[in-house]
Amino acid sequence: DAGVIQSPRHEVTEMGQEVTLRCKPISGHNSLFWYRQTMMRGLELLIYFNNNVPIDDSGMPEDRFSAKMPNASFSTLKIQPSEPRDSAVYFCASSLQTGTGTDTQYFGPGTRLTVL
Amino acid sequence: AQSVTQPDIHITVSEGASLELRCNYSYGATPYLFWYVQSPGQGLQLLLKYFSGDTLVQGIKGFEAEFKRSQSSFNLRKPSVHWSDAAEYFCAVGGNDYKLSFGAGTTVTVRA
Repeated sequence: DAGVIQSPRHEVTEMGQEVTLRCKPISGHNSLFWYRQTMMRGLELLIYFNNNVPIDDSGMPEDRFSAKMPNASFSTLKIQPSEPRDSAVYFCASSLQTGTGTDTQYFGPGTRLTVL
Repeated sequence: AQSVTQPDIHITVSEGASLELRCNYSYGATPYLFWYVQSPGQGLQLLLKYFSGDTLVQGIKGFEAEFKRSQSSFNLRKPSVHWSDAAEYFCAVGGNDYKLSFGAGTTVTVRA
């Protein structure tokens, strides 16, 4: 299996621009997670999808952030407009959700976002 | 809500020496515990996990971890460190839902 695929791996943009991060989960996994990693706050869960439906978006920082999962094999995280404080590494993870904490999350390589 | 503390921010170890990384968790019920490793510029890779049963679990790359309920700990060990083990290590705890709580991470430096 190819694992979780994320693109782009690196993104440099200017403040105010729209940024779209992409994720392809592991085939057959029905849960998808978006995380943000920063030095100050560590790994934070932004949003969780189950069977393509957003279940928990309480970690999304503000309305500038939005996420979609139009089908089981694709998800996007969009930031519009972007700000320098959004600079971070964004990870996508997927799991075969059985509804308990025993589910193992598999992480993609991440997208390093720099907003100038 | 669950939480994880990794007391050591940075550890330096000589190649060939043993390594132990500490992890303390807080959770009111039976925890599900994970160790992940993140090499520079890479995503998180699962090293091992504990759900139930034998409290000493073996993982990939020669790592093992021991669950001690009385101490709320899940420390990671490796008998002999290789230079390729230089990375950041994250402990995580899960409960009865989808949420994982991660520790702040411990950076391991391996000196020749």
